[in-house]
Amino acid sequence: DVKVTQSSRYLVKRTGEKVFLECVQDMDHENMFWYRQDPGLGLRLIYFSYDVKMKEKGDIPEGYSVSREKKERFSLILESASTNQTSMYLCASRPPTGKGTFGYTFGSGTRLTVV
Amino acid sequence: QQPVQSPQAVILREGEDAVINCSSSKALYSVHWYRQKHGEAPVFLMILLKGGEQKGHEKISASFNEKKQQSSLYLTASQLSYSGTYFCGTETGAGSYQLTFGKGTKLSVIP
Repeated sequence: DVKVTQSSRYLVKRTGEKVFLECVQDMDHENMFWYRQDPGLGLRLIYFSYDVKMKEKGDIPEGYSVSREKKERFSLILESASTNQTSMYLCASRPPTGKGTFGYTFGSGTRLTVV
Repeated sequence: QQPVQSPQAVILREGEDAVINCSSSKALYSVHWYRQKHGEAPVFLMILLKGGEQKGHEKISASFNEKKQQSSLYLTASQLSYSGTYFCGTETGAGSYQLTFGKGTKLSVIP
């Protein structure tokens, strides 16, 4: 089975800190995604990546950046954490082109609290 | 723009049936369905592709009406294990790969 691992389950950071959320997948997937999940709002796409060093903005990229230096690793960066970025962050990966009938595999999530 | 799911929440007794709907204002290439249990990550249930057939997985099946850009998830003879929040995710183009999710439908199955 595909495994998507997020490095931290819970994080508490202070306002203004630079925060790194790490995600690693073990199945050579090209496509990786970062979502945030908030009650009543569902999952909203922050950034995604089709390949190494490639990134695309999702629906709510403001205040975030990403890095993909290796195929298996996709990092989400909060440049200067703010309280409105307190949320559950979910990483996901999906098989490459030609295997479109597969869905996302999600990591177990990182619950970030900014104080 | 997020697809619209209905209902927002539903409570069932074991053995009852439920239908969850997902509607988009955009032309869709595919619709995904996921279930998330409390405190866990969403889990992929099934995908319906444009031009595809109705899919099924045990007592959970789904349909996709391309003309209306709507999908429905059918849960029959519900079990306690079906409890959770169900999300539809929509894909607007072949090869686009990113999904836009609805806000979710919370399903509670009680004995």
